[in-house]
Amino acid sequence: DILMTQTPVSLPVSLGGQVSISCRSSQSLVHSDGDTHLHWYLQKPGQSPQLLIYRVSNRFSGVPDRFSGSGSGTDFTLKISRVEPEDLGVYYCLQSTHFRTFGGGTKLEL
Amino acid sequence: EVHLVESGGGLVQPGRSLKLSCAASGFIFSDYGMAWVRQAPTKGLEWVASISFGGGSTYYRDSVKGRFTISRDNGKNTQYLQMDSLRSEDTATYYCARHEELGWYFDFWGPGTMVTVSS
Repeated sequence: DILMTQTPVSLPVSLGGQVSISCRSSQSLVHSDGDTHLHWYLQKPGQSPQLLIYRVSNRFSGVPDRFSGSGSGTDFTLKISRVEPEDLGVYYCLQSTHFRTFGGGTKLEL
Repeated sequence: EVHLVESGGGLVQPGRSLKLSCAASGFIFSDYGMAWVRQAPTKGLEWVASISFGGGSTYYRDSVKGRFTISRDNGKNTQYLQMDSLRSEDTATYYCARHEELGWYFDFWGPGTMVTVSS
């Protein structure tokens, strides 16, 4: 089974600042179709998860450009610039190259 | 606007059954695969099961194979999760989620329904 490791588990932030979240997989996430199926979600307090980034670096509809994704193979990063209060919550990566596995989550807090 | 609403959660004893439903609106339900994702209290997200747009293909995580059955009724714009032989470790909030068109990720989620397995 694919293991997805997110770091850090908790990430203190100042409003207006910039942060990075890491997601590493135990195997390459490059699919035989040539795509890399690594995605990012945000779960705000008391809410269901919402899609931010799909296939490493594509922002979902309505997601501000303060959010950016990068990476390849087994190593991926989500960057958030100019952090706003509505960005607080738990961030999860999801791999869907080999079935579906979520990372353990990173809590972004003040 | 895509709208997903789960129902059917509650308190159930170990070994018993429960059936969850997810009513969909705002999109052509029969064009999309659907899934269930769960989250145990204070824990992370865990994919449970998926079903193809026509219902002909289903997929499960190992820990629920043989106990859970995902199904759908495209005429009613509803998907289901039949959960049998429930265990305490199945206690979680269960989210209904829509697969994006090619099925690689979940683009919309419902608010979730809580299932508690306890005697």
